[in-house]
Amino acid sequence: AQSVTQPDIHITVSEGASLELRCNYSYGATPYLFWYVQSPGQGLQLLLKYFSGDTLVQGIKGFEAEFKRSQSSFNLRKPSVHWSDAAEYFCAVDYWSDFGNEKLTFGTGTRLTIIP
Amino acid sequence: DVKVTQSSRYLVKRTGEKVFLECVQDMDHENMFWYRQDPGLGLRLIYFSYDVKMKEKGDIPEGYSVSREKKERFSLILESASTNQTSMYLCASSFRQYSGNTIYFGEGSWLTVV
Repeated sequence: AQSVTQPDIHITVSEGASLELRCNYSYGATPYLFWYVQSPGQGLQLLLKYFSGDTLVQGIKGFEAEFKRSQSSFNLRKPSVHWSDAAEYFCAVDYWSDFGNEKLTFGTGTRLTIIP
Repeated sequence: DVKVTQSSRYLVKRTGEKVFLECVQDMDHENMFWYRQDPGLGLRLIYFSYDVKMKEKGDIPEGYSVSREKKERFSLILESASTNQTSMYLCASSFRQYSGNTIYFGEGSWLTVV
């Protein structure tokens, strides 16, 4: 069965510092992978997604993620964080139900705090 | 811009009440979803609809039902609300054609059952 693990519940980073959020997945086939961000009190917004091809994916707001098949990982990175990046980040993997319908399963999220 | 609108942002209901959460999308998406979000548990899929009047159970359907009579509207129903259904509920939608379509989320409905 598919699953997504985000091992870090909460990360604190200084403004201007680099950031890496970890994501590991378990899925039998070649996965479609996603990162979503949720600002406080809001819904989720797509940051980036990986389907195939180049393993380094660029997203919105200066984020990027690298797919590593050998490590079953899809870590999110940003070279220099801004105070507005404080939010909760969710990694997700696409899968197909027994009825052939496509869905997402999400990790438990990583809350990012930015300190001045 | 895609818009997924959840009609109620904050609700307080009593135990045993029937609760309706409504969601409307304006992008002619075939797929619509209801997720529940709880701290430390992430998002869990309750129900999913891939066409009008068509539905599929997600990971935690117990205690919930859904209705999709029109393509743009997907309702989540709590037949008899209980305190353990206090949570944030997120509606989402996406196209069905092809794979890996972006899922668009509403802003969420905070439900408190007392």
